[in-house]
Amino acid sequence: DIVMTQSPDSLAVSLGERATINCKSSQSVLYSSNNKNYLTWYQQKPGQPPKLLIYWASTRESGVPDRFSGSGSGTDFTLTISSLQAEDVALYYCQQYYSTPITFGQGTRLEIK
Amino acid sequence: QLQLQESGPGLVKASETLSLTCSVSGGSISSSTYYWAWIRQPPGKGLEWIGSVHYSGSTYYKSSLKSRLTISVDTSKNQLSLKLSSVTAADTAVYYCARPGVVPAADWRGESWFDPWGQGTQVTVSS
Repeated sequence: DIVMTQSPDSLAVSLGERATINCKSSQSVLYSSNNKNYLTWYQQKPGQPPKLLIYWASTRESGVPDRFSGSGSGTDFTLTISSLQAEDVALYYCQQYYSTPITFGQGTRLEIK
Repeated sequence: QLQLQESGPGLVKASETLSLTCSVSGGSISSSTYYWAWIRQPPGKGLEWIGSVHYSGSTYYKSSLKSRLTISVDTSKNQLSLKLSSVTAADTAVYYCARPGVVPAADWRGESWFDPWGQGTQVTVSS
């Protein structure tokens, strides 16, 4: 199984500042045939299910604010929130869909400083 | 707008069978050529994929749960079902069903992201 490791486990950022969450996979999730990274990011607020933010490592889902961006390739990925808003307080998860079983990172808790 | 809703008993006794249903509205299970998933989240912990089902009835499961897990689909009712036998406290979790994202055929490797997810249903295993 591909192990997904996120860092940090928790993060406190001031409103309007940049937040960066990292995700590392135990093996590459880049498929050489199409040069795509099989990596997605979700946001989960308390009492709610996960919400899709980004897929293919950097493609923003429709309706997701453009302050959210994804980057990286191979085994190292980053979710960046360019200017933190109060409504961004949540847990964030990465997930690989390169191979079965799909696996998730352990989650990163984002709070306001 | 597609919506998923999980339902089932919130409390199950240890060693018994957990049974859940996921009702899909606003679209047909048969409209997705990919596999719908069940994912769970133990209290205070992360997300764990447990199994997937295609509208044809084809399934595959997390290896550690394979001996206890049965997932099925009823296209006439537009529902997914999950049965987990011989439950223990470790099976206490919020259980979600989720629709697979649309991965272009040329990019398909067998898995997907998930969107949307149901609201989830809390299941507690009591001793």
